[in-house]
Amino acid sequence: KQEVTQIPAALSVPEGENLVLNCSFTDSAIYNLQWFRQDPGKGLTSLLLIQSSQREQTSGRLNASLDKSSGRSTLYIAASQPGDSATYLCAVRFNTDKLIFGTGTRLQVFP
Amino acid sequence: EPEVTQTPSHQVTQMGQEVILRCVPISNHLYFYWYRQILGQKVEFLVSFYNNEISEKSEIFDDQFSVERPDGSNFTLKIRSTKLEDSAMYFCASSEARGFNGYTFGSGTRLTVV
Repeated sequence: KQEVTQIPAALSVPEGENLVLNCSFTDSAIYNLQWFRQDPGKGLTSLLLIQSSQREQTSGRLNASLDKSSGRSTLYIAASQPGDSATYLCAVRFNTDKLIFGTGTRLQVFP
Repeated sequence: EPEVTQTPSHQVTQMGQEVILRCVPISNHLYFYWYRQILGQKVEFLVSFYNNEISEKSEIFDDQFSVERPDGSNFTLKIRSTKLEDSAMYFCASSEARGFNGYTFGSGTRLTVV
């Protein structure tokens, strides 16, 4: 069964810290992996998309890496800010046209 | 930047009533999807739709659910007889190339069944 797991489930850090959010998936036959941000009660905002042939993608203070062979992706957030507080979701497109989501990491950055 | 638009943002309905959730996908996208997220749980796939046909559906998408593209812009999800357990956030998504370039999600419709 294709599954996506995220750890930690929750993270609370002071402003300015560099963060690592982890995502693991059970099947290495992926097409791509997408990281989303979800604010409470809101929709899903795409942050980064990594294709299976890529090892990392960067956007501003965000960097996502992909290691297919070990079934892992990490999202690095540099110099965290209170505005980064949200739930971060990892979602994988395996061999069918749909995303399998992880349970998310709820991040709180306090001043 | 192009957006997926969903209406209404929040709908309250009585158990047993029919509801229609509406979505306007990105105009040049050809693949459309519905997902749902029960409070505190994962986002779950419901159905994918292409060329006026369902491409794939999950176990959740039973006979109570249907999808339609009634015109060139709208994509709808109908729940015929709502149950309490249908209460969730419903997300519409679209993609240009079967997800190979990623998916764009709407802001969701919160459905509350009372």
